[in-house]
Amino acid sequence: GNSVTQMEGPVTLSEEAFLTINCTYTATGYPSLFWYVQYPGEGLQLLLKATKADDKGSNKGFEATYRKETTSFHLEKGSVQVSDSAVYFCALRISSGSARQLTFGSGTQLTVLP
Amino acid sequence: DGGITQSPKYLFRKEGQNVTLSCEQNLNHDAMYWYRQDPGQGLRLIYYSQIVNDFQKGDIAEGYSVSREKKESFPLTVTSAQKNPTAFYLCASSMVGGSGANVLTFGAGSRLTVL
Repeated sequence: GNSVTQMEGPVTLSEEAFLTINCTYTATGYPSLFWYVQYPGEGLQLLLKATKADDKGSNKGFEATYRKETTSFHLEKGSVQVSDSAVYFCALRISSGSARQLTFGSGTQLTVLP
Repeated sequence: DGGITQSPKYLFRKEGQNVTLSCEQNLNHDAMYWYRQDPGQGLRLIYYSQIVNDFQKGDIAEGYSVSREKKESFPLTVTSAQKNPTAFYLCASSMVGGSGANVLTFGAGSRLTVL
């Protein structure tokens, strides 16, 4: 079956530190990969996505590269801000599947201290 | 602005009571979904619907029911048969087919607590 494994949190960083949140996956077929972010008390928002191997998704200073050889989609940001404090979810969807086949990781809580 | 509205934001229920969570979208999306979120866990799919008057069970449908009488609305009923209903419930929608089907738009969620 399909699954997503994220690094366990919580992660606490100082402002302007470098961020990496690891995400690896197992999937049948050729998945599209996503990072969603959930700010306190809110629903999830799409942060970035990549639909094929070697694609790089980017948004708001965050980046993630679809690495087929290591089945990974690690999220990175060069300099985090307090406003980046949130829960980050990695997810995949098999391209040939319906939208119901979106599989989420367990989420990683990030806290950025001033 | 287009989006998804969930209500109520907080809800308390006594054991043995059914409760219905509302989800309305004005994005003209065909597909709608209900997820359950528990602390330290990813989202788990309860039900989804890709067209009016049709819906399918997700991974954890037991103890829940839904209806899809209108394209804009997808209410979720948490029945007394759901053994552990205390959770955060998220509604989402998407287009069906094409690259848009990859992207879910989420509501702000409803937190249900059983007393």
